[in-house]
Amino acid sequence: DAKTTQPPSMDCAEGRAANLPCNHSTISGNEYVYWYRQIHSQGPQYIIHGLKNNETNEMASLIITEDRKSSTLILPHATLRDTAVYYCIVKDSGGSNYKLTFGKGTLLTVNP
Amino acid sequence: EPEVTQTPSHQVTQMGQEVILRCVPISNHLYFYWYRQILGQKVEFLVSFYNNEISEKSEIFDDQFSVERPDGSNFTLKIRSTKLEDSAMYFCASRGQGYYGYTFGSGTRLTVV
Repeated sequence: DAKTTQPPSMDCAEGRAANLPCNHSTISGNEYVYWYRQIHSQGPQYIIHGLKNNETNEMASLIITEDRKSSTLILPHATLRDTAVYYCIVKDSGGSNYKLTFGKGTLLTVNP
Repeated sequence: EPEVTQTPSHQVTQMGQEVILRCVPISNHLYFYWYRQILGQKVEFLVSFYNNEISEKSEIFDDQFSVERPDGSNFTLKIRSTKLEDSAMYFCASRGQGYYGYTFGSGTRLTVV
């Protein structure tokens, strides 16, 4: 799996957009970008994933650069409950094993 | 929304004792996993389980660990003789066919004293 690089921490004001970057310069053609988050010792929660097109769901948007070497997770209107560690994971889609490898992620703190 | 349920939420055990952590995955999911997270550290993969057998395990998952799906709904992790360093949050996860997201349970906090 390709390695990812994320800033260790970020702050965001409540109600503003939170933009979380991830670098994955060694990503290969069949690897997807996944985002999960972990709210204070709870189980990780799936947010969104994408291959090359931008994606949006009810939680967030994912913007992937054209060369696919980096991506940004956007929480359009951050709330205090979005304070969590956000993990960017690059993974191919094949195989029955399909384990996730978590890094240290980005601790997003949403401030009132 | 379907959930992965883990019990107990917190377990305290004495060193050397056996513990069984229980999980009820989402009913139509086919792939099951255990992860653990030592306090302040990363979430680490332990084992994956598919078609009633282990499909992959990490170096952490030594002979002291075992998994079982005894009745088609529960998925258990057994630690035969617990050590102090087994103290951690243990997360169960499941996923369906394809490459969509895992669903994780809320975890069992295991404290070995």
